[in-house]
Amino acid sequence: LAKTTQPISMDSYEGQEVNITCSHNNIATNDYITWYQQFPSQGPRFIIQGYKTKVTNEVASLFIPADRKSSTLSLPRVSLSDTAVYYCLVGDNAGNNRKLIWGLGTSLAVNP
Amino acid sequence: DARVTQTPRHKVTEMGQEVTMRCQPILGHNTVFWYRQTMMQGLELLAYFRNRAPLDDSGMPKDRFSAEMPDATLATLKIQPSEPRDSAVYFCASPERETGFGEQFFGPGTRLTVL
Repeated sequence: LAKTTQPISMDSYEGQEVNITCSHNNIATNDYITWYQQFPSQGPRFIIQGYKTKVTNEVASLFIPADRKSSTLSLPRVSLSDTAVYYCLVGDNAGNNRKLIWGLGTSLAVNP
Repeated sequence: DARVTQTPRHKVTEMGQEVTMRCQPILGHNTVFWYRQTMMQGLELLAYFRNRAPLDDSGMPKDRFSAEMPDATLATLKIQPSEPRDSAVYFCASPERETGFGEQFFGPGTRLTVL
């Protein structure tokens, strides 16, 4: 099972770009990388998913180097409302959702 | 507005009592996951259903926990008897695809406190 390692917490300020890096040294060939966001008293919410290189959507970018042993979630110009816990997951695309390991995530605090 | 719903949102009970949590997955989603979240352990997968059949419940304490999906619109997680260590937030989720590593849609959770 692919395990991920993320910083426990990060601090930032409004308007800054935030990069959260996740290590997944044992990622398998069929594994995808997915990031979720969780606010207090809510369930996690999908942010972005990728396999290699770079993926961008309306809220974030995901950078994955060639060896895929790590990935970086980039949040452009964060606001106070981006204060949340961010989870990095790796899992294959063959029906094995049940083997996902969530961990404790990265608690991001955005300050005014 | 396609959402996963869960009831109750909060439950306080005494040790030894039975607790039943309910989840209504997004209509048409045939897969349901049950998770438990605590400060110490984070999110843990308890059970996984597809087309109402249990596929994996290895994360669930078998002696007191049971999960069922009596029909496509309802999944239940039951604890009997409950213990203080069961205090946690319980989430259900339904993924966008039956197979693969797709986006999971989470419900708002049931916050359980066992005294």
